[in-house]
Amino acid sequence: NAGVTQTPKFQVLKTGQSMTLQCAQDMNHNSMYWYRQDPGMGLRLIYYSASEGTTDKGEVPNGYNVSRLNKREFSLRLESAAPSQTSVYFCASSEGRQGDGYTFGSGTRLTVV
Amino acid sequence: GDSVTQMEGPVTLSEEAFLTINCTYTATGYPSLFWYVQYPGEGLQLLLKATKADDKGSNKGFEATYRKETTSFHLEKGSVQVSDSAVYFCARGSAGNNRKLIWGLGTSLAVNP
Repeated sequence: NAGVTQTPKFQVLKTGQSMTLQCAQDMNHNSMYWYRQDPGMGLRLIYYSASEGTTDKGEVPNGYNVSRLNKREFSLRLESAAPSQTSVYFCASSEGRQGDGYTFGSGTRLTVV
Repeated sequence: GDSVTQMEGPVTLSEEAFLTINCTYTATGYPSLFWYVQYPGEGLQLLLKATKADDKGSNKGFEATYRKETTSFHLEKGSVQVSDSAVYFCARGSAGNNRKLIWGLGTSLAVNP
């Protein structure tokens, strides 16, 4: 099925470890986004890529880096994981035009111990 | 700045009851408005949208009307089912940059048989 694929679905890290969350979309969308979802906090934008070759910070970028590898793929990297980064991470994509909604992946549940 | 305010949950209803979840937005520009639904353990799915004043979005028995005069986009359903139990998010496009969405905090709905 067409959509947004995130890997892995679950991950446990030790404090200080690094990892990359992968996201790929097959809808030829221009824009891609990384969010984290925490209880009572709603969705918070970490980074986004309005188009291939560009990335910009969102509300909560500290401790994260991103790479827009090509039009399909947008990865999120935690260089040195901290317990405060325990969260559910969602990748989303859109055409990037007025009125376009987002298509979300199924999420990565990350625990940092 | 731009913001979206949703009624706080959790909302608990009996099956076949009428549902209203309130959503208001800041009136900067003429944003597109969206409702998303998140079922347990899943990513967010677009439920419905409206792109201009007086438009009504509808899907799966849910409706919402874009009310510019009251800056509201309330979600309604005439008869809820147990399967509608989920978290509902209201969102608006950013003024001047419609590649990003501004999110409400979400409203949890539980429907009892």
